[in-house]
Amino acid sequence: AQKITQTQPGMFVQEKEAVTLDCTYDTSDPSYGLFWYKQPSSGEMIFLIYQGSYDQQNATEGRYSLNFQKARKSANLVISASQLGDSAMYFCAIGTNAGKSTFGDGTTLTVKP
Amino acid sequence: KAGVTQTPRYLIKTRGQQVTLSCSPISGHRSVSWYQQTPGQGLQFLFEYFSETQRNKGNFPGRFSGRQFSNSRSEMNVSTLELGDSALYLCASSRLGATNTGELFFGEGSRLTVL
Repeated sequence: AQKITQTQPGMFVQEKEAVTLDCTYDTSDPSYGLFWYKQPSSGEMIFLIYQGSYDQQNATEGRYSLNFQKARKSANLVISASQLGDSAMYFCAIGTNAGKSTFGDGTTLTVKP
Repeated sequence: KAGVTQTPRYLIKTRGQQVTLSCSPISGHRSVSWYQQTPGQGLQFLFEYFSETQRNKGNFPGRFSGRQFSNSRSEMNVSTLELGDSALYLCASSRLGATNTGELFFGEGSRLTVL
């Protein structure tokens, strides 16, 4: 079984500053993927970034980067230069080859002007 | 290319009724999975279909069922609705359902309210 833990129910960040959203995971599968999704108030889940369990380098996608520490089983999301539009709920998820993804409880990020 | 389409977007039912939700995946995607999202329980996996076969199922009672058609469109059905079934039901598609290597593409969800 897989498990995702997001310990920050809510986070605040000042516009233009960087913020780190925490995520730890647990799985016995050697091959897995770690994902971050953004869910605005409209409800749709938007994919942000992916890290494969065998990837040596941390993933980056524009202002998003994933700080992957395999030994610690952590996959923190770093958002640089926060924008007001980044205010949303953020979910960390783990997927195996079985067609199932397990999501954390989410972190609500509020960007202050 | 069109995204994942879910219908209806909003619906209100009463206890004991049944409901059917529909999901059309992105063209070429053969895997469709369903998730229930509630404020108290977060996102919970319901089931996943690939080429008309259910490959994986979450821990939900038998009142929750689904199916996938040959064109990859999927439906989920909830019978004998309970108040606790009120939730946002999200459908997600992917090309092969290999969730260790590829992201899910989500629809906007169907928001069900049970009175």
